[in-house]
Amino acid sequence: KAGVTQTPRYLIKTRGQQVTLSCSPISGHRSVSWYQQTPGQGLQFLFEYFSETQRNKGNFPGRFSGRQFSNSRSEMNVSTLELGDSALYLCASTLGTSNEQYFGPGTRLTVT
Amino acid sequence: QQQVKQSPQSLIVQKGGISIINCAYENTAFDYFPWYQQFPGKGPALLIAIRPDVSEKKEGRFTISFNKSAKQFSLHIMDSQPGDSATYFCAARKTSGTYKYIFGTGTRLKVLA
Repeated sequence: KAGVTQTPRYLIKTRGQQVTLSCSPISGHRSVSWYQQTPGQGLQFLFEYFSETQRNKGNFPGRFSGRQFSNSRSEMNVSTLELGDSALYLCASTLGTSNEQYFGPGTRLTVT
Repeated sequence: QQQVKQSPQSLIVQKGGISIINCAYENTAFDYFPWYQQFPGKGPALLIAIRPDVSEKKEGRFTISFNKSAKQFSLHIMDSQPGDSATYFCAARKTSGTYKYIFGTGTRLKVLA
């Protein structure tokens, strides 16, 4: 079974721009969570989607948004990028009935 | 109440030694405690997890010890190998409802050959 895939793997953007990251969960997994990972803050929860509905949200500004499609694929969007948004963005999927969470390789976003 | 405190921040162990990483939580409603291993350039990988109804769980060289009364759990890596050099994260979650995972800050382990 294929793992969680994320695209693109690397991205360089300029301050003020917006970016969209994509995540394809493991086949059959209906829950997708997004995390921001930085050296100083560790793994910070952004939001979780289950069956196209956001059911959990972390403490991030409204510039960070996401959505999930009927095939469980998910996207997250960051608008008006700031230098501090430079991070590794990780997507993780779970079956929905299981606690086991599987991470993708992440998208490394650099904001200049 | 939502924090998970992880220590140490970094750890150096000789090959063949025992690596011990500790985590403490505050929310007694947490009932699922996984450990993740992350290599540079990769996403975290689920290593082993425990529920509070058992005090210990072992999978190969990896053991989780759980102390419910102290609200602490730890990861023991027996016979540590250079290939174990990675960053380890503990996490906690309340499994009923839709509670999110709370992660520790990570421990960078280096195993010397």
